[in-house]
Amino acid sequence: QQPVQSPQAVILREGEDAVINCSSSKALYSVHWYRQKHGEAPVFLMILLKGGEQKGHEKISASFNEKKQQSSLYLTASQLSYSGTYFCGTEKGAGNQFYFGTGTSLTVIP
Amino acid sequence: NAGVTQTPKFRILKIGQSMTLQCTQDMNHNYMYWYRQDPGMGLKLIYYSVGAGITDKGEVPNGYNVSRSTTEDFPLRLELAAPSQTSVYFCASRKGDSNQPQHFGDGTRLSIL
Repeated sequence: QQPVQSPQAVILREGEDAVINCSSSKALYSVHWYRQKHGEAPVFLMILLKGGEQKGHEKISASFNEKKQQSSLYLTASQLSYSGTYFCGTEKGAGNQFYFGTGTSLTVIP
Repeated sequence: NAGVTQTPKFRILKIGQSMTLQCTQDMNHNYMYWYRQDPGMGLKLIYYSVGAGITDKGEVPNGYNVSRSTTEDFPLRLELAAPSQTSVYFCASRKGDSNQPQHFGDGTRLSIL
């Protein structure tokens, strides 16, 4: 039931854009996105709920396609600070098991 | 606020030993979670709790036990430690709504030798 993310890894130059995808085989109620830097704990980016709109802040946004059980994270004009591993997380509803995705390693180079 | 506090930060155990990983949060969150993260891998849910006195298994519960006697504390017990339990353990908490994020502790790095 672990969501599958693609791509597994991506290398960008500063200023380039990236899209990270998250797919689940199960019906979803919500999708979370987190970023984890090496040796640190995951840090929350955003949540999308079933029936919710596309969300975003600054140059990072996300969408949630309920019918396809997919979510995408969009990083625009990437900065060096965007480097890290991105995880989606999914659940069927509040109080249910929470599954993190397989992860996407993103490296931004000068 | 301290947020989510995990202790210890590092520990080395011998095979067959037991230990308890402590997790406490001061945000009055209903939901708490324990994850393990093996090197280069994602987070796997071990156990979770939706409130004091209520716990449930996650994906990888074998070899672990939990209890939730208070809202604040959610300790994870390892019985008969095995090398396969070498990992980084993260505790997280969250308000009991689907639109709320998980807040993570700094993790406990555990090695079983």
